[in-house]
Parts: sequence; structure tokens; C-alpha cells
Amino acid sequence: GQQLNQSPQSMFIQEGEDVSMNCTSSSIFNTWLWYKQDPGEGPVLLIALYKAGELTSNGRLTAQFGITRKDSFLNISASIPSDVGIYFCAGQRNSGYALNFGKGTSLLVTP
Amino acid sequence: GAVVSQHPSRVICKSGTSVKIECRSLDFQATTMFWYRQFPKKSLMLMATSNEGSKATYEQGVEKDKFLINHASLTLSTLTVTSAHPEDSSFYICSALTSGGETQYFGPGTRLLVL
Repeated sequence: GQQLNQSPQSMFIQEGEDVSMNCTSSSIFNTWLWYKQDPGEGPVLLIALYKAGELTSNGRLTAQFGITRKDSFLNISASIPSDVGIYFCAGQRNSGYALNFGKGTSLLVTP
Repeated sequence: GAVVSQHPSRVICKSGTSVKIECRSLDFQATTMFWYRQFPKKSLMLMATSNEGSKATYEQGVEKDKFLINHASLTLSTLTVTSAHPEDSSFYICSALTSGGETQYFGPGTRLLVL
């Protein structure tokens, strides 16, 4: 399947800073999802987006489904050390289909 | 949220042996499960779609005779790596789809090391 373009590849920030990462695709997806993966664990769903233009928050996390349905971004505000991990975007063509993942953004947060 | 388990969490085996990995949906039924493979510092790549009661659908480049998938019940799918070789060493992750098909829940992964 198609792999999505995710950037940046890695980020090294100080605690308290805001973080932004994004994902683009050459084709349309009807669902965009953002996952966090800790070392040696499976991905955990952070936010799911189902409508073009949708802006959804989950605590300090905010994500938007691009109006063209070919992109999405994730913002993390006021980062804390436990935000460390790898963040993956994923696109899903339709309900019930497998996910196409981005390459991941590795986030490091220093106290 | 829904819980998906995988067993074993890690396995070391000798080259040439077969290894079976189980994926279970613990509190919901899943007619569809997916198997992904992840290399270190890389993304998840879909290997196959496992459908309860029917043959799995494999992605291009994935050998169906090497990676045997069985989805015999609504809560269990198994992936068997046959005649494993060192290049099969990887992190294998399954996901299970809820009945409405909207949400995929991932298992914790199985780390396979083939010596």
C-alpha cells in the first residue's frame, strides 16, 4: 500500500514547547488517524478524523483533517516528558480497510 | 477502549523452525484482523488482511506459503512464520476491526528473532 509522507522525521524540544507535525498523501483518504507508539509496544490511537476540514482535540492534542482529504496535521501543546515516542499518521480509504501509515515522527522532550 | 492481545510478546527461534503468533480481540468480535510488520525505526507495513472463515488476502510481495494466516474464530487470528530465517526477524503487530468497521485496535506486538 501507499506510504504517506510525514514530517518532520524527528523533533527534539524542551518541555513546555508546542509541537506540530503533518502528513500528506498523493491520494484521497476518507479517514485520517494519529497514533503514538512507545518502544516495543503497538500503536495507540490518539485522534481519529472522519470529515474533511474537521478539527478535533484530545486534551493537549489537536488534529485537523485537510480540506482536500490529502493531508492532516497534529499539534501537541505544552509538551511534557511523557509525550516522548513515535507518532504515526495513518490514512484509511474507507471503513473496514487497512491503514496506510506515514514514516513516523520521533519526538524527544527534555525536561 | 477495546483490547487486543498478542502472544507471545517475544520469541527467539532457530533458523528453519516455524513460529506461531496469536492475535486475540478480548472484549469484542472481529471479523477482520490485519497483520503488519515493522522493522526497527521504520513504519508499519501491511502484510495481509485476515477474514474470519475465509482465506487471507496478502499484500504484494508477501509470500502466503511463508506467512500462514488462520482466522478460525471471531476473536482469534494466527500468523505462522514457516521455516523462519534471520531476515524474518521483525516486530509483528496485529490489529482488529470493530464490527462497524470504524476503528482498528492494535495489539502490543510480537518481537521475533531468528538465529
